[in-house]
Amino acid sequence: DTGVSQDPRHKITKRGQNVTFRCDPISEHNRLYWYRQTLGQGPEFLTYFQNEAQLEKSRLLSDRFSAERPKGSFSTLEIQRTEQGDSAMYLCASSFVGMGTEAFFGQGTRLTVV
Amino acid sequence: GDSVTQMEGPVTLSEEAFLTINCTYTATGYPSLFWYVQYPGEGLQLLLKATKADDKGSNKGFEATYRKETTSFHLEKGSVQVSDSAVYFCAPNFGNEKLTFGTGTRLTIIP
Repeated sequence: DTGVSQDPRHKITKRGQNVTFRCDPISEHNRLYWYRQTLGQGPEFLTYFQNEAQLEKSRLLSDRFSAERPKGSFSTLEIQRTEQGDSAMYLCASSFVGMGTEAFFGQGTRLTVV
Repeated sequence: GDSVTQMEGPVTLSEEAFLTINCTYTATGYPSLFWYVQYPGEGLQLLLKATKADDKGSNKGFEATYRKETTSFHLEKGSVQVSDSAVYFCAPNFGNEKLTFGTGTRLTIIP
């Protein structure tokens, strides 16, 4: 088991461009989460999936953001028409269903919008 | 609404000092409680957890006890090492299927 992997690790893009990030969760996990972390802050919840169903989206997730998990395995997070305020670390995590269950995090994708 | 408040940093201690990082929460129910750690250049890792009142989570010499009466989950370690330098996050799960993270406490241990 290689853990949660995210690709790319770093992305620099020009304002107005679209970007897409990928997350591969731990294979037997049915929950997949996306969080965003800005400098000096804790991660903020964006959205989560159970299998292929997207069950909740934060109000932080504007219309420019879309996430998919088409076959209940890997997930993608797309940001359209990027803005400088989108610069952050985007974290993916996976887990089993349940409150007491540990969420395993990937190392994140650091996005810089210039 | 449900929320978490974590002691602000940064915190700087000498090696072998005693560490406490405070975490309190406000909840309508009974959350599961987690401490995560982020070492320099690495991803978030679970440090310890407690899922019900009076449970004590422990790992790597760190401990935290789920105190329902004070709605707290303070992180403690009796003797810190340089390798404990990291950012620590308190993160309740309020039963809404996701973790809510505190702002993080940056800990630096001086030899």
